Amino acid sequence: DSGVTQTPKHLITATGQRVTLRCSPRSGDLSVYWYQQSLDQGLQFLIQYYNGEERAKGNILERFSAQQFPDLHSELNLSSLELGDSALYFCASSPRDRYNEQFFGPGTRLTVL
Amino acid sequence: KNEVEQSPQNLTAQEGEFITINCSYSVGISALHWLQQHPGGGIVSLFMLSSGKKKHGRLIATINIQEKHSSLHITASHPRDSAVYICAVSGPGNQFYFGTGTSLTVIP
Repeated sequence: DSGVTQTPKHLITATGQRVTLRCSPRSGDLSVYWYQQSLDQGLQFLIQYYNGEERAKGNILERFSAQQFPDLHSELNLSSLELGDSALYFCASSPRDRYNEQFFGPGTRLTVL
Repeated sequence: KNEVEQSPQNLTAQEGEFITINCSYSVGISALHWLQQHPGGGIVSLFMLSSGKKKHGRLIATINIQEKHSSLHITASHPRDSAVYICAVSGPGNQFYFGTGTSLTVIP
């Protein structure tokens, strides 16, 4: 158990809908990262937050957005869902003094029908 | 163009064999990571290294910064080592790039 929690574990929804994925980092970790893992594209970095502020942006679509709240949990919002958004979404957190070291959550499996 | 290339894509070994997985990258990095993903989907970070060599149990990771290459070795492989091994690098602007993974199957 990495100490990073993600909810829900599974999510099934329809095209065009909007969903919110939630992540709670390890106690004391200020950084949160979001990743998408799809069958055809592998793991891709989406976005990073540090202490509530966006720190780095990767291949995140405009239909997706994220935020980190004062209690340091983070949410990834996916809207106007398409079939191709079906994937595993991972969250990871890292310690403030070892920002390269990452602890992964169990992931949320999103299925868009 | 992939910033991180891994080889081989698939690997089958007999229990007890010595295994090597290779990773090459094309960007400047602050660190290289080796991740393990089991069939259930969970990801575990095995190593993070920026130079030299690290060892943890039967696992050894090395990196050559000049050649932009890293290797993950598994000694005395065991069926429980069967998983996907992913190489990742943290590069400029805090970006992370991932290899496509090496699927390892160790047969008893």
